[in-house]
Amino acid sequence: DVKVTQSSRYLVKRTGEKVFLECVQDMDHENMFWYRQDPGLGLRLIYFSYDVKMKEKGDIPEGYSVSREKKERFSLILESASTNQTSMYLCASSLYLAGALNNEQFFGPGTRLTVL
Amino acid sequence: AQSVTQLDSHVSVSEGTPVLLRCNYSSSYSPSLFWYVQHPNKGLQLLLKYTSAATLVKGINGFEAEFKKSETSFHLTKPSAHMSDAAEYFCVVIPGGGATNKLIFGTGTLLAVQP
Repeated sequence: DVKVTQSSRYLVKRTGEKVFLECVQDMDHENMFWYRQDPGLGLRLIYFSYDVKMKEKGDIPEGYSVSREKKERFSLILESASTNQTSMYLCASSLYLAGALNNEQFFGPGTRLTVL
Repeated sequence: AQSVTQLDSHVSVSEGTPVLLRCNYSSSYSPSLFWYVQHPNKGLQLLLKYTSAATLVKGINGFEAEFKKSETSFHLTKPSAHMSDAAEYFCVVIPGGGATNKLIFGTGTLLAVQP
């Protein structure tokens, strides 16, 4: 079974702090994704990566950056956390990009981040 | 623009009765469509997917969905609800046409199952 793990289930930070959210997958997937999930808005894509050191902006990249130094690890960085970044953050991975037929994304359990 | 609309934000059924969660999409191409389920404090799990093969798709836990191009719909059904089906369900579309590699998520339907 594919396993996607996230470093923390719950995180509380203060405004202005630098925040790192880590995600690791164990199935040698090429592609990794970061979403945030907010009530009534569904999931929105922040960034994704289709290869080591490669990244592309999603729908809401402002205030975030990412890092992918190794294939199995994809980090989301909040350079200076703000209260409007309080949310549930979900990491996902897939073997193929969405344009291919077999394009299921496997999700981690999520990190609930609160910024005070 | 490509989009997906889940018509109900909350659905409540009694245990043993049928479940219907509605989803409509818009796409200029031949889309791929998915239903994901999210149980409380868990990540999303794939229930089923449509990728231009059979229009009636069977998934896990007794769920199925039918792709109806004429109605641009992909409603999720189950003949008999179980208490363990209580969760949030997301309809997801990949618009197709090769121009995008992003999933577009609906806003979710929260299913409550009453004893």
